[in-house]
Amino acid sequence: EAGVVQSPRYKIIEKKQPVAFWCNPISGHNTLYWYLQNLGQGPELLIRYENEEAVDDSQLPKDRFSAERLKGVDSTLKIQPAELGDSAVYLCASSLAGGNEQFFGPGTRLTVL
Amino acid sequence: QQQVKQSPQSLIVQKGGISIINCAYENTAFDYFPWYQQFPGKGPALLIAIRPDVSEKKEGRFTISFNKSAKQFSLHIMDSQPGDSATYFCAARNRNTGNQFYFGTGTSLTVIP
Repeated sequence: EAGVVQSPRYKIIEKKQPVAFWCNPISGHNTLYWYLQNLGQGPELLIRYENEEAVDDSQLPKDRFSAERLKGVDSTLKIQPAELGDSAVYLCASSLAGGNEQFFGPGTRLTVL
Repeated sequence: QQQVKQSPQSLIVQKGGISIINCAYENTAFDYFPWYQQFPGKGPALLIAIRPDVSEKKEGRFTISFNKSAKQFSLHIMDSQPGDSATYFCAARNRNTGNQFYFGTGTSLTVIP
């Protein structure tokens, strides 16, 4: 069974540029999470989807971040414009609806110059 | 109150020794406590988890000890091996916030051969 797929794995951009990350969850997993992981820190939730509905986006900086999960499968997280402080690893995870175990993807390491 | 405090930040253990990582929480709405293992360049992977109605759970060399009254839980790695060298995160799930997970800050474990 394929795990959570994320792309790209690495991204280097200039500040003020836009950037997008893509996530394909495990087949059949209704719940999808986007996390931010700063160096030396634990993951912090940005947004959680139940199917195509964003049920928890309270930690998403909505002035520059947006996300979508069309058709309740793949998801895209976008930053526009990127700032220096956005440099971090962006993790996607998925789980069965109501499930305990989250399965994480390898993450996208973003560097903003 | 949503914090999960983790210590130590880093740990060096001789091969064959016992590694112990501690976490503490305040929120009594937390109802599920997983531990994740993360290798460089990879996403976190579930290692072992416990619910607050039990005081200990063991899976192979990994044991969680849970003290509900003290709101503390710990991960014990018996017979630590160099392959265990990784970053470990404790986490807690809040049943009152849509099953949102809160992660500790991580412990970098190095097992010396």
